[in-house]
Amino acid sequence: AQSVTQLGSHVSVSEGALVLLRCNYSSSVPPYLFWYVQYPNQGLQLLLKYTTGATLVKGINGFEAEFKKSETSFHLTKPSAHMSDAAEYFCAVYNFNKFYFGSGTKLNVKP
Amino acid sequence: NAGVTQTPKFRVLKTGQSMTLLCAQDMNHEYMYWYRQDPGMGLRLIHYSVGEGTTAKGEVPDGYNVSRLKKQNFLLGLESAAPSQTSVYFCASSYSGKSETQYFGPGTRLLVL
Repeated sequence: AQSVTQLGSHVSVSEGALVLLRCNYSSSVPPYLFWYVQYPNQGLQLLLKYTTGATLVKGINGFEAEFKKSETSFHLTKPSAHMSDAAEYFCAVYNFNKFYFGSGTKLNVKP
Repeated sequence: NAGVTQTPKFRVLKTGQSMTLLCAQDMNHEYMYWYRQDPGMGLRLIHYSVGEGTTAKGEVPDGYNVSRLKKQNFLLGLESAAPSQTSVYFCASSYSGKSETQYFGPGTRLLVL
């Protein structure tokens, strides 16, 4: 069975500070990994994804994530938070035609 | 392109009533998915389809049925609604599975009294 764990349901950072959102997964086969963002009252939008190749993946809005197989992690980072980054972020794993989502992390950005 | 659309946007049902949620996509995607989103639980897959005429169960299929008679439409049915089905429902589509990006609709808020 697949599972995705996001540590911290709420994360608060100051504007300009580093953003780090954690994601760990369990998978019996090499996974495809995704980060999605959800703004209030909207559907999810893809931020970035890892399929194969380079383990450091760059996405939209300055976000990036690194696939670390030995740690079964896919943490999301952004060097400098912006007020517009306030949203809920979901990590997801794809396996056998299905996507498995983490429970989400709400990012609050303080002025 | 409209992308992925869902109707209705909001609905209130009484326990035992039935309803159908419609998802439509205009991107010629093969794969379509129905999720429910509940606080603190992320998105959970209800049913999915890998092509016209096919459907399969996801993580939480009980109490729901689906149909994919046309490639562009994916219907989610509740035959006898229960309060536990109060949730936000999202439809998504992708060109194929695996590494393909899922495109999500705006969601349907369902309240079952």
